[in-house]
Amino acid sequence: DAKTTQPPSMDCAEGRAANLPCNHSTISGNEYVYWYRQIHSQGPQYIIHGLKNNETNEMASLIITEDRKSSTLILPHATLRDTAVYYCIGKGGSYIPTFGRGTSLIVHP
Amino acid sequence: GAVVSQHPSRVICKSGTSVKIECRSLDFQATTMFWYRQFPKQSLMLMATSNEGSKATYEQGVEKDKFLINHASLTLSTLTVTSAHPEDSSFYICSARNFGSYNEQFFGPGTRLTVL
Repeated sequence: DAKTTQPPSMDCAEGRAANLPCNHSTISGNEYVYWYRQIHSQGPQYIIHGLKNNETNEMASLIITEDRKSSTLILPHATLRDTAVYYCIGKGGSYIPTFGRGTSLIVHP
Repeated sequence: GAVVSQHPSRVICKSGTSVKIECRSLDFQATTMFWYRQFPKQSLMLMATSNEGSKATYEQGVEKDKFLINHASLTLSTLTVTSAHPEDSSFYICSARNFGSYNEQFFGPGTRLTVL
């Protein structure tokens, strides 16, 4: 699986967009980019995944650069309940998500 | 999305006792389940991969005789922490791969183990 790099922490005002970056410069052609989040003392929650094209679902949008070396998770209108640790993972043939340190997002009023 | 449950959600036990944690996929079949451990303020660390009907595959540094894994059916995997010690206190999380859905993986809510 690709090694990913994320900033350790970010903060965002409630109601504003939260843009969480992830570098995955070693990602291979068949590896998907997955995003999970973990709210304190809970199991990780799947958010979104993509291969090449930008993706959007009810939770978030995922923007993947054309060279696929980085991506950005966008929470369009962050709420206090979006405070969590966000993990970006490159997942390919092994199908086993291995977690880095992630980004601790704090949404403040 | 698919649901994975864990039982118990938290357990406190005395040092030297064994504790069993169950992981169930509630609405799908999971040929493969994964067990993670998470210490405070740290990320999830994969402990082992549990395959239905066969032996689990343990990550380097994880003692297979201490962390017994049984995956007897397509919806249930169990992790038994044998002869638990205070340093085994941690947050244990399982995940299950949806057999019918490519590369989809769903996580349980976690089990908080405290060994006194």
